[in-house]
Amino acid sequence: ETVLTQSPGTLSLSPGERASLSCRASQSVSSSFLAWYQHKPGQAPRLLIYGASSRATGIPDRFSGSGSETDFTLTISRLEPEDFAVYYCQQYGSSPLSFGQGTKLEIK
Amino acid sequence: EEQLVESGGSLVQPGGSLGLSCTASGFTFSVYWMHWVRQAPGKGLEWVANIKQDGGEKDYADSVKGRFTISRDNAKKSLYLQMNSLRAEDTALYYCARGGPLRSMDVWGQGTTVTVSS
Repeated sequence: ETVLTQSPGTLSLSPGERASLSCRASQSVSSSFLAWYQHKPGQAPRLLIYGASSRATGIPDRFSGSGSETDFTLTISRLEPEDFAVYYCQQYGSSPLSFGQGTKLEIK
Repeated sequence: EEQLVESGGSLVQPGGSLGLSCTASGFTFSVYWMHWVRQAPGKGLEWVANIKQDGGEKDYADSVKGRFTISRDNAKKSLYLQMNSLRAEDTALYYCARGGPLRSMDVWGQGTTVTVSS
């Protein structure tokens, strides 16, 4: 089973700042089957990034993903007020599919 | 608009059974893998199960294996989750989600709430 560990647990930043969220896998995630989601209270999760670095349809270019094998990063270049939410990474390079525990991005 | 709408959530006693449904609209349901994902109160997302386009392949999280059954009816554009032997730890908001590119999930419903309590 591939365990995903996200860090930090909570990230406190101000609008306009740059955010870097980490996701580390307990074993290599094959073919970059790594995705990132944004989740706000009372809303459905929203796919941001798939294949480690490809933006989903309609996602602003301030969101970018990078990494390979066991180390992945979601970067938000300049935070907008609507970006404060919980972010999850997810892998399905091997069964079972798994999510990280989440990083809460909060306003400082 | 591509949409998923879950239904069937309710309060059920421990050891009981419940069936969830998810109805799709705005896209060709039969060509996509489909998933169930849940979120317990105050916790993160947990994948529950998925099913291939024709229903021929299914996979489950260890936490639900042997108790939950995923199925689909492509003619009705519907996904189902039959939950048996329910436990308090199954209490959660249950989402259905469409399989997206490179094994992601690109369309999600708003969720339906299951509470397991006496």
